[in-house]
Amino acid sequence: QKEVEQNSGPLSVPEGAIASLNCTYSDRGSQSFFWYRQYSGKSPELIMFIYSNGDKEDGRFTAQLNKASQYVSLLIRDSQPSDSATYLCAASSGSARQLTFGSGTQLTVLP
Amino acid sequence: SAVISQKPSRDICQRGTSLTIQCQVDSQVTMMFWYRQQPGQSLTLIATANQGSEATYESGFVIDKFPISRPNLTFSTLTVSNMSPEDSSIYLCSVESGRGIGEQFFGPGTRLTVL
Repeated sequence: QKEVEQNSGPLSVPEGAIASLNCTYSDRGSQSFFWYRQYSGKSPELIMFIYSNGDKEDGRFTAQLNKASQYVSLLIRDSQPSDSATYLCAASSGSARQLTFGSGTQLTVLP
Repeated sequence: SAVISQKPSRDICQRGTSLTIQCQVDSQVTMMFWYRQQPGQSLTLIATANQGSEATYESGFVIDKFPISRPNLTFSTLTVSNMSPEDSSIYLCSVESGRGIGEQFFGPGTRLTVL
């Protein structure tokens, strides 16, 4: 059974700090990995994807992938109160490229 | 990314009735997906809907309970049949971007409450 595990949190960081979100996955056949942000009462919004080992940076966000350790992470630099949300990690696998989601990590950035 | 709309945005239904949720995309897409998100929980895939073929259901979900239609490349419906309070949830449709990496974009969701 494909599983994606995340620390449920909640995670609180002060404004301006780095928030670190972690995720592990069980299916070694997983090909791509995604981070979604979900504000309360809203649908998930894609913020990053990564499919090669190493780091991928986009603005204040950095995604990291280590396929040998089956580990994905998301770093948010200079965290802002507007970053407060639930962050969902997802892994894509199979011919239909279905997504398996983790349980999400609730992040609160304190002003 | 595609613009996705869902109807209705929310509904309150009586036990034993059925509700059909519509998902409309502003461009043609091959793969559409239906998810359920129960209160305080993550997303669970119900089924994958490809145009011109029967939907593929995940373990724990059956066609009699969640029939799906996919009449064309821009539209799909999910029906929640013979509802019980346990079906109270947010139902989300998503589409794959078509870039071949599996990224999906989500509609705004339908919040269903069953009394």
